[in-house]
Amino acid sequence: DQQVKQNSPSLSVQEGRISILNCDYTNSMFDYFLWYKKYPAEGPTFLISISSIKDKNEDGRFTVFLNKSAKHLSLHIVPSQPGDSAVYFCAASSTGGTSYGKLTFGQGTILTVHP
Amino acid sequence: GAVVSQHPSWVICKSGTSVKIECRSLDFQATTMFWYRQFPKQSLMLMATSNEGSKATYEQGVEKDKFLINHASLTLSTLTVTSAHPEDSSFYICSAKRGTSNQPQHFGDGTRLSIL
Repeated sequence: DQQVKQNSPSLSVQEGRISILNCDYTNSMFDYFLWYKKYPAEGPTFLISISSIKDKNEDGRFTVFLNKSAKHLSLHIVPSQPGDSAVYFCAASSTGGTSYGKLTFGQGTILTVHP
Repeated sequence: GAVVSQHPSWVICKSGTSVKIECRSLDFQATTMFWYRQFPKQSLMLMATSNEGSKATYEQGVEKDKFLINHASLTLSTLTVTSAHPEDSSFYICSAKRGTSNQPQHFGDGTRLSIL
């Protein structure tokens, strides 16, 4: 049962344009969402997060949008740079109960930004 | 940003041996640490949640006696793969999290384990 889904395995974007990465979730208990960037043979690097009480969070070139009714979140990168090329994972957690904030990851989207 | 150190980064050993992987949070106290496993071209799969001073909570299907987790201090958690076999070969990644709920997990760089 894939509770967090990234339906696009890959995305190719021209340098300077916008990259939009999408993520859907099914568990209505999720209330905290994160995006991570990962290079091969390295651990994920935290990019940006959003709590379910918000619908938008912005940090520099990165903006995350959350649509709770659709159970959908997206990461916008503007402008895209070649150094942004990596695998992007969305992750979700439920902060209540005894979950200790454990994360459920999507399958990842490979972003390639062409010069 | 927060720094999590994982050691070793790569280990090759014979079948039947035990391997210990260390995960340290270098600049903050981590009440909770997590251990993940990643198969090639797949996502990260949570193996267990490690809380300082208490027993780890394992995810369904993860063998407790196979993957021993110890979280003896607020900055160190260890994962020991006991009597490792080739099917245990994988990329193991730890993460650490500050005490409050809405805080991101920060990840180590992972350990590539190869069992011959």
